[in-house]
Amino acid sequence: GAVVSQHPSWVICKSGTSVKIECRSLDFQATTMFWYRQFPKQSLMLMATSNEGSKATYEQGVEKDKFLINHASLTLSTLTVTSAHPEDSSFYICSAAETGKRYEQYFGPGTRLTVT
Amino acid sequence: DAKTTQPNSMESNEEEPVHLPCNHSTISGTDYIHWYRQLPSQGPEYVIHGLTSNVNNRMASLAIAEDRKSSTLILHRATLRDAAVYYCILTCIPGGYQKVTFGIGTKLQVIP
Repeated sequence: GAVVSQHPSWVICKSGTSVKIECRSLDFQATTMFWYRQFPKQSLMLMATSNEGSKATYEQGVEKDKFLINHASLTLSTLTVTSAHPEDSSFYICSAAETGKRYEQYFGPGTRLTVT
Repeated sequence: DAKTTQPNSMESNEEEPVHLPCNHSTISGTDYIHWYRQLPSQGPEYVIHGLTSNVNNRMASLAIAEDRKSSTLILHRATLRDAAVYYCILTCIPGGYQKVTFGIGTKLQVIP
């Protein structure tokens, strides 16, 4: 089956530093990937849609200069949280839509970010 | 996006069937009904999807009302590993790769 991985699975960083999270589709090509954020006891909130070879589309209220997204290949998208602050601490989840299959998304296991 | 409504939580005894309801009264003719579930500290997992007809797979069954304004996810025999938050989501066509909007979902507790 289609597998999506994320790296790292968890990260602790100091306030003011930047953190990069990778999302990879392991056995399929993904033209489109999505990035979500989930706070404790809340639902997933879509942050942005990442399309290979083009700029990401951000949801309203998400700062594109703070959450940099790069989808450089059909199997890799990265999310960089720049100048992280404690309020950025959250569970970040990516998903990938397999090229040619429009109705299913495969989710990664998530990355737990803690900013101290 | 068309909205879905689910109960916040449900309980089931282990080994018994579970019926998780979802209302989507504003569903359009091209909306697919998807179900995902999320175990604690994990990413969501695809469960099943359908358009008009009932669907079965190895994980669950999906019963869709004739008017499509509601659907029910059926777990035939709940196990402790089925304890999760279940999300009912609508995705529309056309549009290619659809962004998915998650609601609160239903937290299923399975009692041993």
